[in-house]
Order: sequence, then structure tokens, then C-alpha cells
Amino acid sequence: DAGITQSPRYKITETGRQVTLMCHQTWSHSYMFWYRQDLGHGLRLIYYSAAADITDKGEVPDGYVVSRSKTENFPLTLESATRSQTSVYFCASSESSINEQFFGPGTRLTVL
Amino acid sequence: AQSVAQPEDQVNVAEGNPLTVKCTYSVSGNPYLFWYVQYPNRGLQFLLKYITGDNLVKGSYGFEAEFNKSQTSFHLKKPSALVSDSALYFCAVRDSDSWGKFQFGAGTQVVVTP
Repeated sequence: DAGITQSPRYKITETGRQVTLMCHQTWSHSYMFWYRQDLGHGLRLIYYSAAADITDKGEVPDGYVVSRSKTENFPLTLESATRSQTSVYFCASSESSINEQFFGPGTRLTVL
Repeated sequence: AQSVAQPEDQVNVAEGNPLTVKCTYSVSGNPYLFWYVQYPNRGLQFLLKYITGDNLVKGSYGFEAEFNKSQTSFHLKKPSALVSDSALYFCAVRDSDSWGKFQFGAGTQVVVTP
């Protein structure tokens, strides 16, 4: 089906482990984004990408790594998970930087 | 630097009454402004945007917003609220000088009572 998907939907991990959250979109949108949603903070931008191999840091990039070798995929890696990274993570895509973003269903990550 | 503020954590309104959700912003260049809505356990859905042109923007589900440059505001409005409008609403801004760095407000919970 067309759209934007995230996997896994739920993940429990331990402090210090590496975790990768996947994001896939079928529209061939140029722009992709990773956000985290925490109570009281709304959505905060972690990383964004304008095209394959073009990425940049957002508001809260520390502890995260991204890559974009293919237009349709934008994985987010937590290199060494910490409890403060417990959050709901949303991936989004848009056709251009002035078009609306389409959001995935989110991944709820718990770091013990 | 850019910032966006939603001054109300929650807005309560009776069904059939007008609904307003406030948003103010700060950018160094020109603002690109968006409103999104989030229903429980779902991703965000786009409502409307202002890029340029008419200050009054009409969007999905009967919502509209007015861009006010002098007051640096972009308030979301609906003339007659429905119970189904109860959700979390987010305002987002991007500076025209920044190619992808969007900033979202903290969100406003709207509760519409029958």
C-alpha cells in the first residue's frame, strides 16, 4: 500500500543498546524528517533530509544517527540508548520544503 | 533563530460554539506556517498552511487560519465546533531562510463538549 510506514511500532530496549527505527515512504518524496514527541515539548525535530545523501541536524540530534542511501528510506539509529530517549518517534515526508508533511503512525520506544 | 508558541495547553468549548486555537511565531525571514491535528495514538494530519498570498487560509474539516504579520500570529479557527474536533492541535513554523528546519509548538488540547 502507498504511504509512509514505520517499524517497529513498539520497542523496549535496555540502556546502552543500539536501536534502529525504520521509516519507508512510497511517494518518492524528496524530504524526510524524524521527530520525537514528549509531553510538554510537542514535536521536536531530530534530523531531516532533502534528498538521498543530504541530511542535517534538527533541534535535538545528540545521540542519534541517520542515513539516507535511498529516497524511500530514512532509518534513525540510537547508537547507545539512554532512558532520556524514551519517547514516541514520528517519521514524516513531504514533496518539498513548503508542502505539507505526511506522518507515519509512530514508534513507541521505551529504554529501561 | 525561529520559535513558535501555543499559549494555551487546553481549550474547552461547547459544541456549536466558535473554536480558536492560538499560535504566535518568531522568525528572521519570512514565515511558512502550518497547522496539524493529532488524534489519540495516531500520527499528525495536515490541516492548512500559509506560504504567501491571502492572509485568510481555508483548510480541511471547516478550519481556517488568519496570518497576521504585525502580531506575528497564525490563529486557527472554526466557526462551529464539533465533538469530533476534540484532539491535539499543533502549529508549526519554518523560516524561509531554513530549507527544512521546522519547529512545532507544544500543542493545544481541544475539548469539545456536547
